This record gives sequence, structure tokens and C-alpha cells, in this order.
Amino acid sequence: EDKVVQSPLSLVVHEGDTVTLNCSYEVTNFRSLLWYKQEKKAPTFLFMLTSSGIEKKSGRLSSILDKKELFSILNITATQTGDSAVYLCAVEMNYGGSQGNLIFGKGTKLSVKP
Amino acid sequence: DAGVIQSPRHEVTEMGQEVTLRCKPISGHDYLFWYRQTMMRGLELLIYFNNNVPIDDSGMPEDRFSAKMPNASFSTLKIQPSEPRDSAVYFCASSSVWSDSPLHFGNGTRLTVT
Repeated sequence: EDKVVQSPLSLVVHEGDTVTLNCSYEVTNFRSLLWYKQEKKAPTFLFMLTSSGIEKKSGRLSSILDKKELFSILNITATQTGDSAVYLCAVEMNYGGSQGNLIFGKGTKLSVKP
Repeated sequence: DAGVIQSPRHEVTEMGQEVTLRCKPISGHDYLFWYRQTMMRGLELLIYFNNNVPIDDSGMPEDRFSAKMPNASFSTLKIQPSEPRDSAVYFCASSSVWSDSPLHFGNGTRLTVT
């Protein structure tokens, strides 16, 4: 069965801390791995990773994929209270050429305290 | 672009009633997805369409659920009859092979069945 597992399920840190969120996966037809941030409403897209070892970076956030060990990490440096959210990892399946057929992990709930 | 638009934002209904959720995808997107999110199971794909045609409905939990896409700008997800275990947030998402991320989510419909 295809699955995506995230850890930890929840995390509480203080402003300025650095955090690492983990995502491991087992899928039959891997196409890409994506990270989303979900606050109160819709998940918003952060990164899409398709190749191993190439870091994607956006401000204080960065992510990297290891296709051999089947995992990805999302790093957030110098955390701020605005980073508090649920971070979702998803794997896009290479299934009939479709776009967006994703399997999601259950997310990591990050709480950043002032 | 207004993004993916869902209605209603909240729906409270009694067990046994029919519920219809609505979605307007981003103009030009040719894929439309319905997801359900619960604390226990996370985000689950229910069904997706390509060019208005249902491609995979294997995630639809049972016959009480049905989805239609009569044209490129409108889709509905119907539950008849509704049950308390259907309570969840239902997200619609759309995508295109030409977009910068696989999925753009709507803000969701929070359904409560009492």
C-alpha cells in the first residue's frame, strides 16, 4: 500500500529555533514530493522536489529529497510565530500521466512560541 | 485570478439529509480533485476529473457519495443520505500541466452532520 509518513506529529519550539520536519514514503510510481503549509484554511504550496540531493530554498525554509532512502526533510531556520501551522508532505504519483494525484501524510503541527 | 472557489464555507445538517458541495476551479485548469480532511485520516483523495470526465473515484467511500462536473467551471460533490461520520472538511483543488504547482486548493467546506 502506498503511504506517506511524517514525523514528528507535533512540535513546539520558541522563536528563533531551527526545526527539521521529516517525511518518508513508500510508493510504487513516484513522480514528485511536495510540501504544503496549512494554517486555518487551504494548504498552500511550498516546494516540489523531483531530484535527489538538490536543495530547494525559499527564505528561511529549505527542503531536500533523498530518493534512495525515500525521505525528505523540511528545515525552517530562525522560526517565527507566523510559521505556526500544519506542514503537509505529499507524494505525487506517476499514474496515467495525471497531475496532482497526491497521497498526503497526516502532517506535522508546528507551534512557535514567542 | 480568484483561485478555486468553494461553497458553502460551512454546512451543518442533520443525519439523513442531502448535502451538496460546490466548486469552481481556476479557469484553464483541466484537472479537478475532491479531497476530504479529518483528524484521524488526514487528507484523502475522493475523486478526480480530467477535462470534466471522472478518472478515478476509488476514494469515494460509498454509494452515498457522488460527484459531477457538468462543465469546465463547475463541480459538485453530493452526499445522500448524510451520516455523522461524514463530518469533515472537504477541499476542492484544481491543476494544470502548465501550472507552477500540482494543486491549487480552495478554502474548503466544513461539513458537520448531527
